[in-house]
Amino acid sequence: QVQLVQSGAEVKKPGASVMVSCRPSGYTFTAYYIHWVRQAPGQGLEWMGWLDPQSGGTNYAQNFQGRVTMTRDTSISTVYMELSRLTSDDTAVYFCARAIRGAVGVFDPWGQGTLVTVSS
Amino acid sequence: DIQMTQSPSPLSASVGDRVTITCRASQSVSSHLNWYQQKQGRPPKVLIYAASSLQSGVPSRFSGSGSGTNFTLTISSLQPEDFATYFCQQSYRTPYTFGQGTKLDIK
Repeated sequence: QVQLVQSGAEVKKPGASVMVSCRPSGYTFTAYYIHWVRQAPGQGLEWMGWLDPQSGGTNYAQNFQGRVTMTRDTSISTVYMELSRLTSDDTAVYFCARAIRGAVGVFDPWGQGTLVTVSS
Repeated sequence: DIQMTQSPSPLSASVGDRVTITCRASQSVSSHLNWYQQKQGRPPKVLIYAASSLQSGVPSRFSGSGSGTNFTLTISSLQPEDFATYFCQQSYRTPYTFGQGTKLDIK
């Protein structure tokens, strides 16, 4: 079945960068966009952007422009999200999610989430 | 950005109740409105996409309606496993945005 497996929890200091990986399986890696969404503790959901695994093309939310980079390695069917210049406001669970067939902006399934804690 | 506003929040109900959650967009999103369910410590799961299409594997007690700026998610007969937080999300224009969530708990 379709599954997205993310890398483990991270603890970073303010000003540092973090890279989270997402490895989809159960379908053709290049066929569907991958999105990144984050959720601060006890808060709502915030869309960060998408990556087209086929072309490597990206679309980032304005809130993260200049700080986020989404890439992929097709040889190992893995997508990466790097967020730089971290502050405490970036403490959140970061999810990757696949777009559904025929609807780029609908997310299913999701990865299990990666907790990123930013603390001095 | 398109703002999404849900009501009510929170919502208390009993097993067997019919419940409706409302989502309003700050501008028209046509039918590009999706509903997700999230349980504690788990990622969200899509229930309804394109306002009224039931995602494969989702029970038929869930339904969605609306277009333009006003949308509803209805659960026809609440089951114990339905107590969770529900989010609406517009996929009309990036940045895709979510409602603040409606926590459905047991009365």
